[in-house]
Amino acid sequence: DTGVSQDPRHKITKRGQNVTFRCDPISEHNRLYWYRQTLGQGPEFLTYFQNEAQLEKSRLLSDRFSAERPKGSFSTLEIQRTEQGDSAMYLCASSGMGRLSSPLHFGNGTRLTVT
Amino acid sequence: DAKTTQPTSMDCAEGRAANLPCNHSTISGNEYVYWYRQIHSQGPQYIIHGLKNNETNEMASLIITEDRKSSTLILPHATLRDTAVYYCIGLYNNNDMRFGAGTRLTVKP
Repeated sequence: DTGVSQDPRHKITKRGQNVTFRCDPISEHNRLYWYRQTLGQGPEFLTYFQNEAQLEKSRLLSDRFSAERPKGSFSTLEIQRTEQGDSAMYLCASSGMGRLSSPLHFGNGTRLTVT
Repeated sequence: DAKTTQPTSMDCAEGRAANLPCNHSTISGNEYVYWYRQIHSQGPQYIIHGLKNNETNEMASLIITEDRKSSTLILPHATLRDTAVYYCIGLYNNNDMRFGAGTRLTVKP
């Protein structure tokens, strides 16, 4: 079990730049989630894919954010024109086929710092 | 998903059982109770989940009251590595998992 992998682990960027994060879920998992976590808070849901279809997006996911999962395997989360308020940990999770109660397995996140 | 209430923080002595409570009085009949924990600088780690019956795995035990309005996560022999934030979540399916602030458990030597 290689677990959920996220790349990069850390990203520092200047305000206004675009950034892209990658998530590789557990290989047999068909559901993939993105969350954002700021200091001292619990993770906040951003979006969810089942296979390649993006089925739900949070209001937190502004127009500057876009997520894709082109072949139903890995996923990317892009933030355009970054703002200092985007500084956070971005977490990816996946869950398997079968019951909707199957637990989520999280990666260790990408920490974004916007200067 | 059900609203959950957890204490902000708790301490536990190393080697003793850690009992973490969670109130979920609005939980509906088909909503599961999930527990996750998050150690600093890591992603949340799944611990256990249950619907009605008590559950046990290699990490912990989950005791759910008969009326399902509350539950307790039990770490039988807490170690320093169990120091983390513990989240209790009540929901029907994991497409809608929302985390609260959780309980910060500190295991002390």
